[in-house]
Amino acid sequence: EDKVVQSPLSLVVHEGDTVTLNCSYEVTNFRSLLWYKQEKKAPTFLFMLTSSGIEKKSGRLSSILDKKELFSILNITATQTGDSAVYLCAKVDSNYQLIWGAGTKLIIKP
Amino acid sequence: DAGITQSPRHKVTETGTPVTLRCHQTENHRYMYWYRQDPGHGLRLIHYSYGVKDTDKGEVSDGYSVSRSKTEDFLLTLESATSSQTSVYFCAISRDTDTQYFGPGTRLTVL
Repeated sequence: EDKVVQSPLSLVVHEGDTVTLNCSYEVTNFRSLLWYKQEKKAPTFLFMLTSSGIEKKSGRLSSILDKKELFSILNITATQTGDSAVYLCAKVDSNYQLIWGAGTKLIIKP
Repeated sequence: DAGITQSPRHKVTETGTPVTLRCHQTENHRYMYWYRQDPGHGLRLIHYSYGVKDTDKGEVSDGYSVSRSKTEDFLLTLESATSSQTSVYFCAISRDTDTQYFGPGTRLTVL
């Protein structure tokens, strides 16, 4: 079974901390990897990664893909309470199906 | 934000009744998807469409049917709702089949 595994499942940090969220996947039929943020509503798109070693950046968020080791990380620097959410990653396979991870629940304490 | 709306946003119904959820997009994207999201299961694909009248099953399609008669509308029907179909349903659209953009969701409760 094709799997996407996210770690940790939950994380509690204080405002201002830097966090790193992990997403590992199986190599079968890999096309791209997506990151989403989900608050108490629909997932919102953050990044799409297709190439190894090329960092995508948006403000305090950044993400990178390692196709050799089959993982991606999402970094958030100088965290704020508004960063509290579930962060989802999904692998897009060659049939354009998304295989979703279970998510990392991030809580930022003031 | 992508122009996606879902209706209704909330619905309570009884076991055995038919239910239709609507997804409407104004982006003219080719691909549309229906997911359900449940605690402990994450997002699971029910059905998807790759064009008008072209649909296919996802991993949890039993008990659901879909129709797409126009590019902008994708309907999800529960022919006879069961309590196990209580969930939050998300519609998503995609232009290039990689990045998907999600609608606001429909919370369905089957009593």
